[in-house]
Amino acid sequence: NAGVTQTPKFQVLKTGQSMTLQCAQDMNHEYMSWYRQDPGMGLRLIHYSVGAGITDQGEVPNGYNVSRSTTEDFPLRLLSAAPSQTSVYFCASSRTVATNEKLFFGSGTQLSVL
Amino acid sequence: GDSVTQMEGPVTLSEEAFLTINCTYTATGYPSLFWYVQYPGEGLQLLLKATKADDKGSNKGFEATYRKETTSFHLEKGSVQVSDSAVYFCALSDPTDYKLSFGAGTTVTVRA
Repeated sequence: NAGVTQTPKFQVLKTGQSMTLQCAQDMNHEYMSWYRQDPGMGLRLIHYSVGAGITDQGEVPNGYNVSRSTTEDFPLRLLSAAPSQTSVYFCASSRTVATNEKLFFGSGTQLSVL
Repeated sequence: GDSVTQMEGPVTLSEEAFLTINCTYTATGYPSLFWYVQYPGEGLQLLLKATKADDKGSNKGFEATYRKETTSFHLEKGSVQVSDSAVYFCALSDPTDYKLSFGAGTTVTVRA
């Protein structure tokens, strides 16, 4: 199994540009989520989904959109990139929405906004 | 809201030294508690977890005990190796929603 696959691994954007970070999992996981990792702040939840067609906001959703049209895919869209969105982004999934479930993480996307 | 506070780093140790990383939490209900580890250039992976008070999670020589009375989940390892160099994150999962809250992370470097 490939697990959780994120693309691209690195991206540089100019302020105001838009882009989509891709996330796919091949484990038939019910729950998917996006986090951003910033120095000294740990991981902060951006958006999450408890199943196809269902998404909700996390702690820091502003400037980001998500959709979950299939169980496998959970893309994260940056509408108009800002330097404050420079970060490392992780997609994660779990088998169910139960709160004691293990999260499986992708290898991350390092995004720089100039 | 729920939150996790963990010991700030960085922590530098010699091989075979004892490691403790403190983690305390604030939660309204009965959360599940986790330690995740991030090796250089990789995503996070689960190290261990505990789902109720007095549970002890253990894996790869690491241990942590869910202490409700002190709201703590400290990570310990008796004898670290160079391969344990990583960033360690404490996290909690609130049973009333679908969100996992992470601490800021502690960078551990083990020298040979």
